[in-house]
Amino acid sequence: AQTVTQSQPEMSVQEAETVTLSCTYDTSESDYYLFWYKQPPSRQMILVIRQEAYKQQNATENRFSVNFQKAAKSFSLKISDSQLGDAAMYFCAYRSARTTSGTYKYIFGTGTRLKVLA
Amino acid sequence: DGGITQSPKYLFRKEGQNVTLSCEQNLNHDAMYWYRQDPGQGLRLIYYSQIVNDFQKGDIAEGYSVSREKKESFPLTVTSAQKNPTAFYLCASSTPRASGNTIYFGEGSWLTVV
Repeated sequence: AQTVTQSQPEMSVQEAETVTLSCTYDTSESDYYLFWYKQPPSRQMILVIRQEAYKQQNATENRFSVNFQKAAKSFSLKISDSQLGDAAMYFCAYRSARTTSGTYKYIFGTGTRLKVLA
Repeated sequence: DGGITQSPKYLFRKEGQNVTLSCEQNLNHDAMYWYRQDPGQGLRLIYYSQIVNDFQKGDIAEGYSVSREKKESFPLTVTSAQKNPTAFYLCASSTPRASGNTIYFGEGSWLTVV
C-alpha cells in the first residue's frame, strides 16, 4: 500500500524568507500524481500545486515550487518570499493508479504546520 | 458556481445515535470521497465511490456507512458503532477527465458527541 510521510510536524519562517516542507512517499506504481494542499484556520482545503510523475520538470506556481525526485520518492514544497497569509497546515498527497474498482485513491500525509513570523 | 456542499457544518450527537452528514456536488465529478481529520493524523479515507450504487471501504470504514444513489450525492452515516466519532469530516470529489486529476473538497463538517 502507498504511504505518504511528512516528517516535520511544525516549521517556522520569517516573513519574506524561504522555507521548504518535506514529503516522502512509498509506492511501486509508475503512474501517479502528487499534490500539496494548504489548510488555513478555516479548514478549507486549497490546492497549492500538483506534479505529474511522468513529468521531469518541477511544477511552479508563483511563489510555490516543488523539488520532485522520483527515484528518491521525494516531493518537497518550497515557498519563496513567505507571507503572513501562508501560515497554515500543509498536506502532501498522492493519487494512486486506477484501483480494481475503477477509481483512484488519494492518500494524505499527516501535515506540517507552517508559522510565519512577522 | 460549481462546488461541493457539506451540511451541517456543526453537529452534536448523543451517544448511541446515528447521524448523517450530507455531501452534494455540482461539478459533474464521477468519484466522491469521505475523509476524517483528527489532530496529528492528517486525512484518513473512510469510503469512496466511482459510480452510482457502488462504493468501497477506505482505511477506517468501521462504524460508518454510505450510499450513492445519485451521481451528485454521497451521504455519510456515522453509526453508534463508531467508538470515537468526534472529528472533522471532509467530503471530496474528483474526475480523471479534467482538472489535472485534482481532488476538490467541501468546507467540512464538525461532529461532536456529547
